Amino acid sequence: GENVEQHPSTLSVQEGDSAVIKCTYSDSASNYFPWYKQELGKGPQLIIDIRSNVGEKKDQRIAVTLNKTAKHFSLHITETQPEDSAVYFCAAITGANNLFFGTGTRLTVIP
Amino acid sequence: GAVVSQHPSRVICKSGTSVKIECRSLDFQATTMFWYRQFPKQSLMLMATSNEGSKATYEQGVEKDKFLINHASLTLSTLTVTSAHPEDSSFYICSAIPDGSIQYFGAGTRLSVL
Repeated sequence: GENVEQHPSTLSVQEGDSAVIKCTYSDSASNYFPWYKQELGKGPQLIIDIRSNVGEKKDQRIAVTLNKTAKHFSLHITETQPEDSAVYFCAAITGANNLFFGTGTRLTVIP
Repeated sequence: GAVVSQHPSRVICKSGTSVKIECRSLDFQATTMFWYRQFPKQSLMLMATSNEGSKATYEQGVEKDKFLINHASLTLSTLTVTSAHPEDSSFYICSAIPDGSIQYFGAGTRLSVL
């Protein structure tokens, strides 16, 4: 099955700086890569996603890049704000719609 | 985005009792819903895939008689934790797919078994 690795596990940045979270996957058949933000005591919220036929996608301060050859994808958050503090999960989906999560990154934005 | 409602958000029960958690898709029909379990500071682990009108598909290591899943309609799936014990205490989260691949998650249910 698919194996998704995520780094770093914790990340602290100063407000206004950028944050980058990286993930790798093992199954070349994976074709969809969502990123979720989870706040304490809540369910994950989809923040951005990318499909395997696209190399980069951007939505305001959030961007995701995908390198299919290397099987890795990254989340970039620019101009970070305290409300960006949360746990972020990457995930990969194969054709069966099974979602494989990374281990999560706890992002802390220091005011 | 699509809305998935989960109820209750928190439940405390005595050991040996059963607890039912509901997952509803509010603005779409979902033939498939998923149930996850999340321990503190850990990732989400898929427990089972709930299919409307048929039996759920359980992941390896998940006891189907312990975690009963019923998906009786296109907007409702329920997870019943039977004869709950303290080790069943966890955060349970459901998700549903309106279309394509995107999974939308409920807010989760924190189960505490005393």
